[in-house]
Amino acid sequence: AQKITQTQPGMFVQEKEAVTLDCTYDTSDQSYGLFWYKQPSSGEMIFLIYQGSYDEQNATEGRYSLNFQKARKSANLVISASQLGDSAMYFCAMRPLDQGAQKLVFGQGTRLTINP
Amino acid sequence: EAGVAQSPRYKIIEKRQSVAFWCNPISGHATLYWYQQILGQGPKLLIQFQNNGVVDDSQLPKDRFSAERLKGVDSTLKIQPAKLEDSAVYLCASSLGGRQAVQYFGAGTRLSVL
Repeated sequence: AQKITQTQPGMFVQEKEAVTLDCTYDTSDQSYGLFWYKQPSSGEMIFLIYQGSYDEQNATEGRYSLNFQKARKSANLVISASQLGDSAMYFCAMRPLDQGAQKLVFGQGTRLTINP
Repeated sequence: EAGVAQSPRYKIIEKRQSVAFWCNPISGHATLYWYQQILGQGPKLLIQFQNNGVVDDSQLPKDRFSAERLKGVDSTLKIQPAKLEDSAVYLCASSLGGRQAVQYFGAGTRLSVL
């Protein structure tokens, strides 16, 4: 079974500061993928970034980067130079890569608020 | 490229009534998913389709929930009869399938059961 833990229910950050959202995971799978999604108040889940368990380099996508520490089973999301539009719920998720079923398992989420 | 389309956006019904949600995935995406997101929680998979066939419906309450995907494109999720605990956002997602395929989500349908 897979489990995602996000220990920060809420985060408050000043605009233009960097922010780190924590995510730890538990799995017995050898090959897995880790995902971060953003969910604004409108409700849509927006894909941000992906990291494969065998990827040697940390993933980056614009202002988003994923700090992947395999031994610690953590996959923290780093947002640089935060903007007011970054205020939203953020979800960490994972799924195995070597099975037919592709169910994403999500954490509880972290609500990020950017203050002007 | 158009995203995942869902309708309606909002639905209010009374318990024991029936309701249906519709989803149109991204063009060319063979895999379609329905997730349930209860307030304050992350989404939970209800059912996964690969083209017309069901891949995973292990968490679908089959006594009241049903889903179909006609011709491998659009999909409908139905609840009959609804219970109070079915109040949630129902999210549809689609992907190309394959080892590292990203799932793209629609805006969801917010269901309130009174």
